[in-house]
Amino acid sequence: EIVLTQSPGTLSLSPGERATLSCRASQSVSNRYLAWYQQRPGQAPRLLVYGASSRATDVPDRFSGSGSGTDFTLTISRLEPEDFAVYYCHQYGSSPRTFGQGTKLEIK
Amino acid sequence: EVQLVESGGGLVQPGGSLRLSCSAAGFTFSTYDMHWVRQAPGKGLEYLSGIRSDGRGTSYADSLRGRLTISRDNSKNTLYLQVSSLGPEDTAVYYCVKTSSLWFLDYWGQGTLVTVSS
Repeated sequence: EIVLTQSPGTLSLSPGERATLSCRASQSVSNRYLAWYQQRPGQAPRLLVYGASSRATDVPDRFSGSGSGTDFTLTISRLEPEDFAVYYCHQYGSSPRTFGQGTKLEIK
Repeated sequence: EVQLVESGGGLVQPGGSLRLSCSAAGFTFSTYDMHWVRQAPGKGLEYLSGIRSDGRGTSYADSLRGRLTISRDNSKNTLYLQVSSLGPEDTAVYYCVKTSSLWFLDYWGQGTLVTVSS
């Protein structure tokens, strides 16, 4: 199965700053089938990006995804207070599907 | 509005088994693949299993293959997950998740908590 490694494990930034989250796959992700999810405490995950770079419905345009092959990035251009949460990448190009271990974005 | 409601969680003895259910509404259940994902307390998301829309194809996480059985009843709009030989490491919130027409996971239930303890 494909192993997804996210970095950093924790990212400490201030509101208004730019956040760059990385997801590296152990093998190439087919068709750029890579999604990003946001999870706030006590809530189910929320889809942000699919197909590596397509924003989901109602997701603010400060969120953007990029990458292909084995290296993917989620960028949040200007952090809002509600963006501090845990972010997961997920590959759905190969069976079984897998998740990264998560990046916690915390307020500095 | 898509609704996914999990049930069947609770306190289970080590070595036991349980069957989780997920009742779906707000979409044509029989035309979408479905999945189970779990999250242990304070930990990350772990993909468990998926099933094709017609129920004729399944997939399982390598680490749990043999202990999981996913199934569905399209006449009841319900997804199931049977988990056997439960241990404390299986304590988690279990989520039911819908696949979109483009294969990514789009809608999640609120989850059901399973606690394995004597």
